[in-house]
Amino acid sequence: GQSLEQPSEVTAVEGAIVQINCTYQTSGFYGLSWYQQHDGGAPTFLSYNGLDGLEETGRFSSFLSRSDSYGYLLLQELQMKDSASYFCAVSHPRSSYKLIFGSGTRLLVRP
Amino acid sequence: NAGVTQTPKFQVLKTGQSMTLQCAQDMNHNSMYWYRQDPGMGLRLIYYSASEGTTDKGEVPNGYNVSRLNKREFSLRLESAAPSQTSVYFCASSASGGAGEKLFFGSGTQLSVL
Repeated sequence: GQSLEQPSEVTAVEGAIVQINCTYQTSGFYGLSWYQQHDGGAPTFLSYNGLDGLEETGRFSSFLSRSDSYGYLLLQELQMKDSASYFCAVSHPRSSYKLIFGSGTRLLVRP
Repeated sequence: NAGVTQTPKFQVLKTGQSMTLQCAQDMNHNSMYWYRQDPGMGLRLIYYSASEGTTDKGEVPNGYNVSRLNKREFSLRLESAAPSQTSVYFCASSASGGAGEKLFFGSGTQLSVL
């Protein structure tokens, strides 16, 4: 089966850098996606890593290491509006339509 | 630009009642999905429709049925609601089902079954 592990909660200070880790166990692997969800809101897509390495999108970067079954989301220059839950997700090995989500990391940004 | 629209936003049901959640997308996407999200948990796939005319089970399909009415619309039906189906339901769509394909989510339906 597939399983993903993320820390349940992370706290950081405004302006700082924070890293949210995701380790996965899966019998097949297409890549790692990240979604952001504010309280009461809908998830929104942040990034996707299909290959090993770093993908950068503005203040957000995502990293994947297939050999370590590990990825992370890096948020730089934290802003209060970055307080949200962050989910990593992998595609089911038998169907790329089936996206399996981790249980999420709640990020609290403090002044 | 509406994106993915779900109705209703809130619903309270009694055990055994039935209801249908409606979802429509205006992005000409081929694939549509229904997820549920329970407190402190990630999203779990209930059903998906890879393309118009097809539907398939996800992780947690029991107690639900779906209909892909046309390319735009994908509905989720609870035939006999149970308290265990109390959850927030999200509809989503994507251009296709390729790995890494971006999912666009609706604003969610908060369902309580008493």
